[in-house]
Amino acid sequence: SYVLTQPPSVSVAPGKTARITCGGNNIGSKSVHWYQQKPGQAPVLVIYYDSDRPSGIPERFSGSNSGNTATLTISGVEAGDEADYFCQVWDSSSDHPVFGGGTKLTVL
Amino acid sequence: QVQLVQSGSELKKPGASVKVSCKASGYTFTSYAMNWVRQAPGQGLEWMGWINTNTGNPTYAQGFTGRFVFSLDTSVSTAYLQISSLEAEDTAVYYCARGTALIASGVPFDYWGQGALVTVSS
Repeated sequence: SYVLTQPPSVSVAPGKTARITCGGNNIGSKSVHWYQQKPGQAPVLVIYYDSDRPSGIPERFSGSNSGNTATLTISGVEAGDEADYFCQVWDSSSDHPVFGGGTKLTVL
Repeated sequence: QVQLVQSGSELKKPGASVKVSCKASGYTFTSYAMNWVRQAPGQGLEWMGWINTNTGNPTYAQGFTGRFVFSLDTSVSTAYLQISSLEAEDTAVYYCARGTALIASGVPFDYWGQGALVTVSS
C-alpha cells in the first residue's frame, strides 16, 4: 500500500517558519490533507486539498504539494502551535486513506 | 455548530465486547460519511473504515474485519463501533470523524469526536 514518510520531529524558534514534509511516491498527483493534534485532544484539520485552509485556521498555516513531497508551512510559529502533525492522502490502489506517521513540532 | 460527541472511556477484560457511540449534531447526519480512526497509545492515526450514513453500508480497512462492526441509528444521528473478542492490542483511543461528503473517497475529515479510550486489561 501507499506509504507516507514524515520526519519524527521538527524544532523551530518562536516567530520563525516551520516546514513539515510528507514524502510519497508521486504525491504531487494526489490531494493531501493535514491535521494538527495537541496532547490529549482530537486531531483538527488545518489544510485540505493541498493548500486550502478551513475557516478558523490562521493564515500562518499553508500547504504545498509537488513531485514526491508535500509541505505544511507554519509562518511566525507560536508556542500554541506545538503539536503533532499528520498528513493524509487517499490511496486509490487500496481505496482507502493513508496517514503519515506524524511529526512532533517543538517550539523552542 | 457541528459536533460529534462520543461515549466515555471503557475498561474491558480480554474476550469481552465494547460498543462506542458517536452522536452527531448540527448537520444532516445522513449527508456525510462517518469514518473511524484508531490511535494506539503514543502512536499515529490508523483508519479503520467508514460507513455510508445514507445506505448504512460499511467498509472496513484491512486488519479491521471480523471483530469490528460499524452501525448506525439514524433516528438519533448516532454511529456506533462495536469490537468483539477484545485483545490487549485493541487498547487505544477510537475516534469518529466526519468526511466532507457522503462518499469517503479522497475527502478530508473536517470534524472529529473527542475520542473514546478503550482499555483492555485483565
